[in-house]
Amino acid sequence: GEDVEQSLFLSVREGDSSVINCTYTDSSSTYLYWYKQEPGAGLQLLTYIFSNMDMKQDQRLTVLLNKKDKHLSLRIADTQTGDSAIYFCAEISNSGNTPLVFGKGTRLSVIA
Amino acid sequence: DTAVSQTPKYLVTQMGNDKSIKCEQNLGHDTMYWYKQDSKKFLKIMFSYNNKELIINETVPNRFSPKSPDKAHLNLHINSLELGDSAVYFCASSSQAGGTDTQYFGPGTRLTVL
Repeated sequence: GEDVEQSLFLSVREGDSSVINCTYTDSSSTYLYWYKQEPGAGLQLLTYIFSNMDMKQDQRLTVLLNKKDKHLSLRIADTQTGDSAIYFCAEISNSGNTPLVFGKGTRLSVIA
Repeated sequence: DTAVSQTPKYLVTQMGNDKSIKCEQNLGHDTMYWYKQDSKKFLKIMFSYNNKELIINETVPNRFSPKSPDKAHLNLHINSLELGDSAVYFCASSSQAGGTDTQYFGPGTRLTVL
């Protein structure tokens, strides 16, 4: 079945850029998503990218997609302490009524 | 003006009890989902409904029974609760049955089975 992999932890200093990486196996992925989960909270959609794009920028967030390598990254510029959370990569394919397949989440810690 | 809402937010109960979690979306979406997030934060799909009909049922024990009275609601009933059912349950909705549209999540229900 489909699989989505992420590193589990990332620690950065406030003001630096954070890059969270994700790899996936489903070659029929159509949309790839980044969700943010703050402690004790629900999942907040941050951004998504369609599989025929290779980059999407939204304020401090930049998503890069390398479809050949099945690699997705999320770059957060000028990381703030409020960015500390778990970031989930997720993908969906167009091969039927498939739900989101999530990675295990990357816990981002921002050090002041 | 909450998009996807769930009740209750917290649920603490004894083993063997039966409980329900409710989910409602006011986005006009036609597909709704239940996901389970375990203690290690792993998220997995449980069920998916499109226009009140079940379209996905992952390998979930039959103690779990989803019910969709209309396309804006998807409730989850759990019989004979077990310790391993302790988790956070998230409801989500999207606008196409194929799920290619963005899924919006509820705030989650933290279930603790004692």
